Amino acid sequence: GAVVSQHPSWVICKSGTSVKIECRSLDFQATTMFWYRQFPKQSLMLMATSNEGSKATYEQGVEKDKFLINHASLTLSTLTVTSAHPEDSSFYICSARDKESGNTIYFGEGSWLTVV
Amino acid sequence: GDSVTQMEGPVTLSEEAFLTINCTYTATGYPSLFWYVQYPGEGLQLLLKATKADDKGSNKGFEATYRKETTSFHLEKGSVQVSDSAVYFCALSGGGGGNKLTFGTGTQLKVEL
Repeated sequence: GAVVSQHPSWVICKSGTSVKIECRSLDFQATTMFWYRQFPKQSLMLMATSNEGSKATYEQGVEKDKFLINHASLTLSTLTVTSAHPEDSSFYICSARDKESGNTIYFGEGSWLTVV
Repeated sequence: GDSVTQMEGPVTLSEEAFLTINCTYTATGYPSLFWYVQYPGEGLQLLLKATKADDKGSNKGFEATYRKETTSFHLEKGSVQVSDSAVYFCALSGGGGGNKLTFGTGTQLKVEL
């Protein structure tokens, strides 16, 4: 079946540095990808909708300058957490919409980010 | 705004036990309701869905019925297996938030021999 892969699965970075998380659709083209964040014991919260070839649409309260999203191709979207702080430590999940299969949404495995 | 509330875990059951994971929602309009499952080390997968009141979604022995009168979509399975151990997420879309998915917090299920 369709697969969405995230990389890295987990990452530790120092405060003040930037970290990039990749989301790839492995066997389908995804014009739309979504980025979520989940804090412990809380819901997955939609951060932004990533559209290939155009600017991402951010949810209210999400800082677009801090969470940079680039959807440069039909199979890749990246989330860059800039100037990371410990409060950015979270579980980040992406999903991708497959238009060819009736807009089915497939999720990645998630990426654990720890900022120390 | 839209919200989904599901029971906290972890839920620990013996194999062949009956499973219920409660899910209630708040939304305007007529949302579609979903259950997603995340097995260890994998991404979320759609388990089942229901798009209108009284619909029953079913898959792999799991069932959930869209109850508009109680705004609920409880997940049930008559006899769980060790391989059902995973995190289960209730979600909705098509309410006040449009086509965006709104998730519950997830419920971890552990099935033991």
